[in-house]
Amino acid sequence: NAGVTQTPKFHILKIGQSMTLQCTQDMNHNYMYWYRQDPGMGLRLIHYSVGAGITDQGEVPNGYNVSRSTTEDFPLRLLSAAPSQTSVYFCASSYPGDANTGELFFGEGSRLTVL
Amino acid sequence: GQNIDQPTEMTATEGAIVQINCTYQTSGFNGLFWYQQHAGEAPTFLSYNVLDGLEEKGRFSSFLSRSKGYSYLLLKELQMKDSASYLCAVMDSNYQLIWGAGTKLIIKP
Repeated sequence: NAGVTQTPKFHILKIGQSMTLQCTQDMNHNYMYWYRQDPGMGLRLIHYSVGAGITDQGEVPNGYNVSRSTTEDFPLRLLSAAPSQTSVYFCASSYPGDANTGELFFGEGSRLTVL
Repeated sequence: GQNIDQPTEMTATEGAIVQINCTYQTSGFNGLFWYQQHAGEAPTFLSYNVLDGLEEKGRFSSFLSRSKGYSYLLLKELQMKDSASYLCAVMDSNYQLIWGAGTKLIIKP
């Protein structure tokens, strides 16, 4: 199993450009998440999904869109890049249930710079 | 509001023991997680506590007191590879994870 795969690992954007961060998982997890991680702050939830066709906003959703057409894929789209969106983005998945802890499995991260 | 507090940075010596504390104030409680994150890498799961007490897993142990809103991660026989950030996260009543900012642990020879 590859686990959670996200691409690209690094990207530089100009202000106003749009782009999509790809995320796919092969563990058949229902739940998928997008977080951003900034220095001195905890991981902040952007959007999440509890299953195909269902998405919801997290703590910091403005400027981002997501879709979940399949169980495996959960892309994050930046609509019009702003310097405040310079960050490291992590995709994660989990399979909450009584038989397990619902721990998160993370992708390797995407470091995005907006200039 | 919801809040997770943990020290920003700690330093310890190879072979020693270190305790990383985490205090929390959240809307409800459905478990506390510890993750390890090496620089430039993704967080990886270390432990999960939902009941009071100590959970031991090799060199790492995690303790929880729900009445005090307190947890700690205990690392024994420290190795250089334990140099990393340690993230505390609490699952609230809506099953959302609230994350602390992480504790950067520096191990010196």
